Amino acid sequence: DAKTTQPTSMDCAEGRAANLPCNHSTISGNEYVYWYRQIHSQGPQYIIHGLKNNETNEMASLIITEDRKSSTLILPHATLRDTAVYYCIVSGYSGGSNYKLTFGKGTLLTVNP
Amino acid sequence: DTGVSQDPRHKITKRGQNVTFRCDPISEHNRLYWYRQTLGQGPEFLTYFQNEAQLEKSRLLSDRFSAERPKGSFSTLEIQRTEQGDSAMYLCASSSRGKNLYEQYFGPGTRLTVT
Repeated sequence: DAKTTQPTSMDCAEGRAANLPCNHSTISGNEYVYWYRQIHSQGPQYIIHGLKNNETNEMASLIITEDRKSSTLILPHATLRDTAVYYCIVSGYSGGSNYKLTFGKGTLLTVNP
Repeated sequence: DTGVSQDPRHKITKRGQNVTFRCDPISEHNRLYWYRQTLGQGPEFLTYFQNEAQLEKSRLLSDRFSAERPKGSFSTLEIQRTEQGDSAMYLCASSSRGKNLYEQYFGPGTRLTVT
């Protein structure tokens, strides 16, 4: 699985968009970009994933650059409950894979009132 | 609530004691994972079941650790002769066959403290 690089921490004002970057310059063609988050004292929660097209769901949007070497997770209107550690994970299917997730240290997003 | 439950939520034990944790995954999920998370780190993969078969174990899983998933339903993780270094959050996750192969649903975790 490709290695990812994320900032250690970020701040965002409540109601504003939170843009969380992730670099994955060694991503290969069959690898997806996944985002999870972990609110304090809870298990991680799946947010969104993508291969090469931008994706949007009820929680967030994922923008992947054309060369796929980086991506940005966007929370359009951050609330205090979005304060969490956000993990960017790159994983790909390779026949017989167990689909385990390889977490880094993630980005601690603090949403301020 | 993701539908994955873990029991107990907290466990304090003395060094050298054995502990067992239970995970109940989402009922239709055939894949089950155990992860361990220490303070300030992301979760680390421990082991994986597909139905009742344990298909992969991490090198983190020493001989003192054993996991089972009888009948492909709930799973247990046992740690024998606990050490202080075993203190961590133990997370269980489940997932199903389908298009989104890396979407896992995590339980709330069991926090183990070894004194």
